[in-house]
Amino acid sequence: DTEVTQTPKHLVMGMTNKKSLKCEQHMGHRAMYWYKQKAKKPPELMFVYSYEKLSINESVPSRFSPECPNSSLLNLHLHALQPEDSALYLCASSQDNQRSTDTQYFGPGTRLTVL
Amino acid sequence: SQQGEEDPQALSIQEGENATMNCSYKTSINNLQWYRQNSGRGLVHLILIRSNEREKHSGRLRVTLDTSKKSSSLLITASRAADTASYFCATDLLKGMNRDDKIIFGKGTRLHILP
Repeated sequence: DTEVTQTPKHLVMGMTNKKSLKCEQHMGHRAMYWYKQKAKKPPELMFVYSYEKLSINESVPSRFSPECPNSSLLNLHLHALQPEDSALYLCASSQDNQRSTDTQYFGPGTRLTVL
Repeated sequence: SQQGEEDPQALSIQEGENATMNCSYKTSINNLQWYRQNSGRGLVHLILIRSNEREKHSGRLRVTLDTSKKSSSLLITASRAADTASYFCATDLLKGMNRDDKIIFGKGTRLHILP
């Protein structure tokens, strides 16, 4: 299984809502990532988990809260978002072989719209 | 700031022609990757080239890396309509003995194959 799945595919939420994005992989990868991508822009790294521990937080606002319940799952909890947070949110995973940067496998993304 | 910069930003060619995209980066790297993204979807890994490699092939793809010029090129031969997508280079950051899980994407080249 070489697939990274993400749910939901689309999400519309108000600024007072609390929602969560979910990501799952069963490739035995030990590094998982959240990216934010605006239209016609490259993906921007938000968080990296390595062996279920948060290893990189790219100064993301606290209204985004990541969680890695186990080695296969990655969540992104959303609360009090702003309209400018509307974007495609991509999850990725990689093997994390401790020797060099690995290929990242991406999910299809969640298209988030904040009203 | 962005590590990679692709050139050109957009490229339209006739089906069957070859497409060449370039990527320049600023700091020393362990490896460089190319990814493809169809509109509004996740990224698909195409090829990874390590800093001690100069050229790599995969099917209709040819990637070169010139570390002295801090640049890479992606050549797609005999282009097809299905090659229409955005193409991103991505580099890691060589940080002494410490490996960083982070890769940074360039701005991307939007490739359009005309029938």
